[in-house]
Amino acid sequence: EDQVTQSPEALRLQEGESSSLNCSYTVSGLRGLFWYRQDPGKGPEFLFTLYSAGEEKEKERLKATLTKKESFLHITAPKPEDSATYLCAVHRGQKVTFGIGTKLQVIP
Amino acid sequence: GAVVSQHPSWVICKSGTSVKIECRSLDFQATTMFWYRQFPKQSLMLMATSNEGSKATYEQGVEKDKFLINHASLTLSTLTVTSAHPEDSSFYICSARPQPGVDSPLHFGNGTRLTVT
Repeated sequence: EDQVTQSPEALRLQEGESSSLNCSYTVSGLRGLFWYRQDPGKGPEFLFTLYSAGEEKEKERLKATLTKKESFLHITAPKPEDSATYLCAVHRGQKVTFGIGTKLQVIP
Repeated sequence: GAVVSQHPSWVICKSGTSVKIECRSLDFQATTMFWYRQFPKQSLMLMATSNEGSKATYEQGVEKDKFLINHASLTLSTLTVTSAHPEDSSFYICSARPQPGVDSPLHFGNGTRLTVT
């Protein structure tokens, strides 16, 4: 059975304090690993897709990386507007498995 | 970017009544849409896959008679929660893939917060 484990469950950072979120996965035949951002009371918003180990994607203060067993979402010099829950998901065919997310709070 | 619109954003209903939630793809056609349910501090759980012009595919444990799905056009899928009970209170989110291929990302609506009293 596909499994996605995200850590930590919650993270509190001072503005400007860089950190990383982890997504560990167990899936046979990975077709893609996806990162989404979810604001309270909203649907998830797509951030990145990673397809193969060693791949990296960047968007503003966010950088996602992928290995054969896990993915990291690095946040450099975060701002309060980066506060959200970050979800990781793996695709295997039509099946998509989500982690429970990391709730990030960035304090001014 | 591709937009998925969901309506209403929140609804309060009395126990025993039915509630309809609409999901529209605004700038692309979606032959398939997905309905998710999210409980606090839990991951998104797929409830059913909605297929245009055919029956929906429900995940194990999801009552198809309680959660009626209709996908009558390439841009609209509806989820009707029939005879709602307080345990049906949850956050319901629809999604679709604007780009072809099962490896492409999902785009989500903004969700519907259902409260059954």
